[in-house]
Amino acid sequence: GAGVSQSPSNKVTEKGKDVELRCDPISGHTALYWYRQRLGQGLEFLIYFQGNSAPDKSGLPSDRFSAERTGESVSTLTIQRTQQEDSAVYLCASSPQPNTGELFFGEGSRLTVL
Amino acid sequence: SQQGEEDPQALSIQEGENATMNCSYKTSINNLQWYRQNSGRGLVHLILIRSNEREKHSGRLRVTLDTSKKSSSLLITASRAADTASYFCATPTGANSKLTFGKGITLSVRP
Repeated sequence: GAGVSQSPSNKVTEKGKDVELRCDPISGHTALYWYRQRLGQGLEFLIYFQGNSAPDKSGLPSDRFSAERTGESVSTLTIQRTQQEDSAVYLCASSPQPNTGELFFGEGSRLTVL
Repeated sequence: SQQGEEDPQALSIQEGENATMNCSYKTSINNLQWYRQNSGRGLVHLILIRSNEREKHSGRLRVTLDTSKKSSSLLITASRAADTASYFCATPTGANSKLTFGKGITLSVRP
């Protein structure tokens, strides 16, 4: 597709389970970002990829959170041993190059931890 | 703490009126961006203004930037019900210039 694609769009899981969220960026976009948005709040930065390396992972809230990216393509955000406070929308964005301005966002993955 | 903070937090206007939203930030920037988010959707880029620009227009949108006051405003003229959404300002911060977002302004345009 032409835009950033995220899956699943909705995920309900039980506390303690692991979840994987996937992001397919726009083809050719080298920079990829993950953000978290709690209900009614702004966006919290989680991690930034340039290619398949992550020069900035300063926003990952704990060691339960990890992310990887394959080349300049798909990225997966993994949350282990989920907690209720992990409930949020996880948004992925990509851009042609870093520091060039506009980010292109996916529709997000809504995670609910019961 | 937030780099960009918008005000007001919520704004309700009648269709046809203008909507003005403000954003303040803390550190020096090379650009400031505004995004829109419809309920349950991702963010859509609206406009980018560079630090050497004072005003920029795009259709019904007008953005101003005052670097001396570290503030920006977004004006939507002749608002429409379809403009109902949350609006966020964002600035590049840190060594990798990742975008840092404010908490957003909820705009409701009544038909």
